[in-house]
Amino acid sequence: NAGVTQTPKFQVLKTGQSMTLQCAQDMNHEYMSWYRQDPGMGLRLIHYSVGAGITDQGEVPNGYNVSRSTTEDFPLRLLSAAPSQTSVYFCASSYSSRYYGYTFGSGTRLTVV
Amino acid sequence: GQQLNQSPQSMFIQEGEDVSMNCTSSSIFNTWLWYKQDPGEGPVLLIALYKAGELTSNGRLTAQFGITRKDSFLNISASIPSDVGIYFCAGPDPTSGTYKYIFGTGTRLKVLA
Repeated sequence: NAGVTQTPKFQVLKTGQSMTLQCAQDMNHEYMSWYRQDPGMGLRLIHYSVGAGITDQGEVPNGYNVSRSTTEDFPLRLLSAAPSQTSVYFCASSYSSRYYGYTFGSGTRLTVV
Repeated sequence: GQQLNQSPQSMFIQEGEDVSMNCTSSSIFNTWLWYKQDPGEGPVLLIALYKAGELTSNGRLTAQFGITRKDSFLNISASIPSDVGIYFCAGPDPTSGTYKYIFGTGTRLKVLA
């Protein structure tokens, strides 16, 4: 099994551009989340989903959109990139978050110039 | 929002030494998870704790669920160079149920051979 797959691994955007970070999991996990990691700030939750068709906001949702049309995929959309969105983005999934925790992808390093 | 405070923020230790780190919250948690992040990778689950007072080991790692339910501790015995990385505590946001996990700011461990 591939686990959680994120693409691309690296991306440079110009301010104002839009793009979609892809996330796919092949473990039939219901729960999926997006986090961003910035130096000294740990991992902060952007959006999460508890199943296909159900999403909700996390701690830092502004400037990002998500959708969950299938169990496998949970893309993160940057609507109009800003330098403050320069970060490393992680997608994670879980079968039962309390008892198994989240399985993370290897991340997308995004730079907005 | 909820915050998990980890200490120390970073530490340098000699190979073979024991390491202790902790995670504290102002709210009660019913689950504590400890993750390790290697450079350039996503976090990987090390240990999960579900009951106050619980002590769980995974090889040279031992974690404890604090009896107040507001803290957790991670110990690494006889450290080796591959223990280098960032250690995160995490738990379900007490105000939001089990779907939203929040992470601490991390303890960065550097091992001197």
